[in-house]
Amino acid sequence: AQSVTQLDSHVSVSEGTPVLLRCNYSSSYSPSLFWYVQHPNKGLQLLLKYTSAATLVKGINGFEAEFKKSETSFHLTKPSAHMSDAAEYFCVETGGSQGNLIFGKGTKLSVKP
Amino acid sequence: GAVVSQHPSRVICKSGTSVKIECRSLDFQATTMFWYRQFPKQSLMLMATSNEGSKATYEQGVEKDKFLINHASLTLSTLTVTSAHPEDSSFYICSASDRGPADTQYFGPGTRLTVL
Repeated sequence: AQSVTQLDSHVSVSEGTPVLLRCNYSSSYSPSLFWYVQHPNKGLQLLLKYTSAATLVKGINGFEAEFKKSETSFHLTKPSAHMSDAAEYFCVETGGSQGNLIFGKGTKLSVKP
Repeated sequence: GAVVSQHPSRVICKSGTSVKIECRSLDFQATTMFWYRQFPKQSLMLMATSNEGSKATYEQGVEKDKFLINHASLTLSTLTVTSAHPEDSSFYICSASDRGPADTQYFGPGTRLTVL
């Protein structure tokens, strides 16, 4: 069965330092991959998506992710964290016959002043 | 960009009553909508896939008679929690796909259900 693994349940960084949120997928074929962000008690917002075009994907709010097939990874990065980046981040893959999403367990990002 | 709304955003009800949650795609037609449930501090769990004009496809372990899903038009899907109990209290989120099942999904803001 397909699965998405987010390697860290919680990441804490200082404001202005780089952010790295790790994600590994399991599909053997070229998947569609997404990163979503969820602020407390809010719905999800799409940060970026990979659909087999460029391997380096740029998203909103300065985030980007690189698709590495050899490592089955799709890590999310940002050069400089802002306080407003504190949220839960989900790495997601499309799967199933109807294209439903397979979610990682999420990574909570804390940003210290 | 594509916008999905949910109504209500928050509902509190008594045990044994039924609650209906609406999910609307505001600026696009959604042939497929998905309903997710999120328990506190956990990831989202897909409950069912809703295709316009046909019966919903439920995930294993989700009671179709308890969670009634209707997708009567290309812009509206509803989830009705029947005879709600406290264990049904959760955050329910819908998403809509604008060009087919495997395309980008846009999420609603979620509905917080509390059953007393």
